[in-house]
Amino acid sequence: QPVLTQSSSASASLGSSVKLSCTLSSGHSTYIIAWHRQQPGKAPRYLMKLEGSGNYKKGSGVPDRFSGSSSGADRYLSISNLQIEDEADYYCETWDSNTRVFGGGTKLTVL
Amino acid sequence: QVQLQESGPGLMKPSGTLSLTCAVSGASISTSYWWSWVRQSPGKGLEWIGEISHSGTTSYNPSLKSRVIVSVDNSKNQFSLKLSSVTAADTAVYYCATAVEGPFQHWGQGTLVTVSS
Repeated sequence: QPVLTQSSSASASLGSSVKLSCTLSSGHSTYIIAWHRQQPGKAPRYLMKLEGSGNYKKGSGVPDRFSGSSSGADRYLSISNLQIEDEADYYCETWDSNTRVFGGGTKLTVL
Repeated sequence: QVQLQESGPGLMKPSGTLSLTCAVSGASISTSYWWSWVRQSPGKGLEWIGEISHSGTTSYNPSLKSRVIVSVDNSKNQFSLKLSSVTAADTAVYYCATAVEGPFQHWGQGTLVTVSS
């Protein structure tokens, strides 16, 4: 089954931009993933579905500040004009015919 | 808009069977979605538990498969999780979630289950 690898933490200044990564394991580089944001004490929220081509489709109400991109087995979530509410844990998710997998999550700190 | 609401006991004793229910509104449980359970141990990441399709097909996390059953109640528009032989390691926030065209697009608010004697 696929494995997703994320950096454990990232930080960026208020109003700046950040790019979070999620890497698919060998043999799974073409998989579609999804990004979710989990603010402290809250349930996860779906942000977008991201293909290996770099095409992405955002969930309802997700701000334009959020975008996705891909390069090989790497999937990225970019956030521009960082806001305080963006300080959260970000998880990538993937799936195949009979399993679902999450990455370990990246804790984003907004300075 | 699909809305999900978990319910179940907040506290239970070791060796018992955890039972949770997820009430669905805004969609029929018989829609071609996947109805899933995910948990998060304190301070840890997300762990997929298992799911059921609209047609009744189930899939489970191999690490939990021997103890998990996910089922659907069409008459009540809800789905359920049963996890047997629980230990302190099963203490977590349990989320129900719905997969639409691949990823989890809708999440419940979560319910904390503590396993303690």
